[in-house]
Amino acid sequence: DIQLTQSPSTLSASVGDRVTITCRASQTISSWLAWYQQKPGKAPKLLIYKASSLESGVPSRFSGSGSGTEFTLTISSLQPDDFATYYCQQYNSYSTWTFGQGTKVEIK
Amino acid sequence: QVQLVESGGGVVQPGRSLRLSCAASGFTFRNYGMHWVRQAPGKGLEWVAIISYDGNDKYYADSVEGRFTISRDNSKSTLFLQMNSLRGEDTAVYYCAKDATVYGVPLPLDTWGQGTLVTVSS
Repeated sequence: DIQLTQSPSTLSASVGDRVTITCRASQTISSWLAWYQQKPGKAPKLLIYKASSLESGVPSRFSGSGSGTEFTLTISSLQPDDFATYYCQQYNSYSTWTFGQGTKVEIK
Repeated sequence: QVQLVESGGGVVQPGRSLRLSCAASGFTFRNYGMHWVRQAPGKGLEWVAIISYDGNDKYYADSVEGRFTISRDNSKSTLFLQMNSLRGEDTAVYYCAKDATVYGVPLPLDTWGQGTLVTVSS
């Protein structure tokens, strides 16, 4: 099974900071990677699909890049609403879907 | 608007069964694959199962294979998860989610329900 490893697990940042989260796959997944944002007590929200495509309605300060086994989610200028936990997810295999362990973005 | 509403969660003893439902609205349910994803208290997301748009293909996480069954009723736009032989480690919020894949182009989960809490405890 494909494993996803996110780093860091926790990130402390200030409003206005540029933030980057990394997701590494245990084997190549082409560009079949998504990023989600989750706030406490809420369902996850899709941000990015196919590694770099922005979901409709998501602010342009969010961007994704990468292919193969290395992927990044970047928030260009962190806003108060962005403090949350972020998950990557691979959908390379229809029969097995995997999430990363999550990265919590905290206020510094 | 596109909406998913889960129900059926609650407290259940180890070894017992529970059936979750997910009512869909605002989109053509029969055209989309559907998933169950769970989240144990204070933990990350864990994919549980997928069912194809027509119900013919079903796949499960190793942790639930043989104990859980995903199904759907396209006439009622409803997704189900039958959970048998429940264990303490099955305690989690269970989300249903819509697979955005269309025309064979892989896409992730674009719509999620609010979740329903399942607690397995004696």
